[in-house]
Amino acid sequence: GENVEQHPSTLSVQEGDSAVIKCTYSDSASNYFPWYKQELGKGPQLIIDIRSNVGEKKDQRIAVTLNKTAKHFSLHITETQPEDSAVYFCAASKRSSASKIIFGSGTRLSIRP
Amino acid sequence: DSGVTQTPKHLITATGQRVTLRCSPRSGDLSVYWYQQSLDQGLQFLIQYYNGEERAKGNILERFSAQQFPDLHSELNLSSLELGDSALYFCASSVGEGGYQETQYFGPGTRLLVL
Repeated sequence: GENVEQHPSTLSVQEGDSAVIKCTYSDSASNYFPWYKQELGKGPQLIIDIRSNVGEKKDQRIAVTLNKTAKHFSLHITETQPEDSAVYFCAASKRSSASKIIFGSGTRLSIRP
Repeated sequence: DSGVTQTPKHLITATGQRVTLRCSPRSGDLSVYWYQQSLDQGLQFLIQYYNGEERAKGNILERFSAQQFPDLHSELNLSSLELGDSALYFCASSVGEGGYQETQYFGPGTRLLVL
């Protein structure tokens, strides 16, 4: 069945450095890839998404890249700040089952001062 | 704040019992989704309702049921509870039918503990 694998499960970076989280998906029909940030005690919040007709998208310090051939996509956070500490989830969905978003297992990102 | 509200925030109950979780979507959103988040299973889609009707079903147990009311709020009913049902339950909403690429906005969740 559909599967989204996410790595690493935990990531610790020095404040100001960059963080990269990688995901792979199994279903080649997947064409929408949102990323969610979940802070302690809160629900996941959409931070950026990318469609399959785009290879890269950037929003201030956050960027996402997509390689459809290899079926993987990545989240890049530059100039990390303490408020970036959270659990990040990648996800994938496809047109035929659009309601069903498949989530990765999450990455706990910690920013060291 | 996503605009999605969920009650209660915490719920503690015993095995075999039944509970009801409530969700109010963002103003104007017609779809409501329910997710279960547990340590071993991650974030799993349970069910979606659109404008009062069931739209999509995921990994929802037969002991669980949901409905969406005319005012668009939704309830998730969990019965014959087992220890393994302890988890965070999230509700999300979106503006339309849940079409491809439609953003889902998540509520703060209900933490269920079954003892």
